[in-house]
Amino acid sequence: DAGVIQSPRHEVTEMGQEVTLRCKPISGHNSLFWYRQTMMRGLELLIYFNNNVPIDDSGMPEDRFSAKMPNASFSTLKIQPSEPRDSAVYFCASTPSGQGFSPLHFGNGTRLTVT
Amino acid sequence: AQRVTQPEKLLSVFKGAPVELKCNYSYSGSPELFWYVQYSRQRLQLLLRHISRESIKGFTADLNKGETSFHLKKPFAQVEDSAMYYCALNNNAGNMLTFGGGTRLMVKP
Repeated sequence: DAGVIQSPRHEVTEMGQEVTLRCKPISGHNSLFWYRQTMMRGLELLIYFNNNVPIDDSGMPEDRFSAKMPNASFSTLKIQPSEPRDSAVYFCASTPSGQGFSPLHFGNGTRLTVT
Repeated sequence: AQRVTQPEKLLSVFKGAPVELKCNYSYSGSPELFWYVQYSRQRLQLLLRHISRESIKGFTADLNKGETSFHLKKPFAQVEDSAMYYCALNNNAGNMLTFGGGTRLMVKP
């Protein structure tokens, strides 16, 4: 099991460009989370999907951020246009739901730098 | 609203010293609390949860509802304990976790 797979590992882009981060959850996990990690704020939940449906997107900073989960094995987080303050590590995590407790399984993260 | 606070961003101790990573929470219901750890070049992973009341890698954490705290403790720190530690709260609405800001633990030899 390769675990949660995120791509790319690193992304450097210029302000104003569109950025797309990708996540493949663990097979069989039906809950998927996007988190953002910064020095100042730690880990912030951006959005949470259950069975491909967005359940809570109250953490999405603003309209420049959008996330989709077109099927059970793929999700994207898009930032358009990107700004320097979006620079952070973005984590995707998945877990099975409805089966009692299961810890979150995190990907390796995507380190985004917006210049 | 729920909130998790880790007051120390960095904690530095020598090998063999006791260590306590502080975590305070605010939540109106009955919380479920966790500690997650991220070792260098590894993924963030679960260390322990308060319900299991077990010791993992020598670490323990007791939920104190009166003080709304869930401090992580280890009597004798090891160099390999150096990592980023996150306290997290589950509001029992699915598996949605609210994380604290994290504490970086450095254990010097």
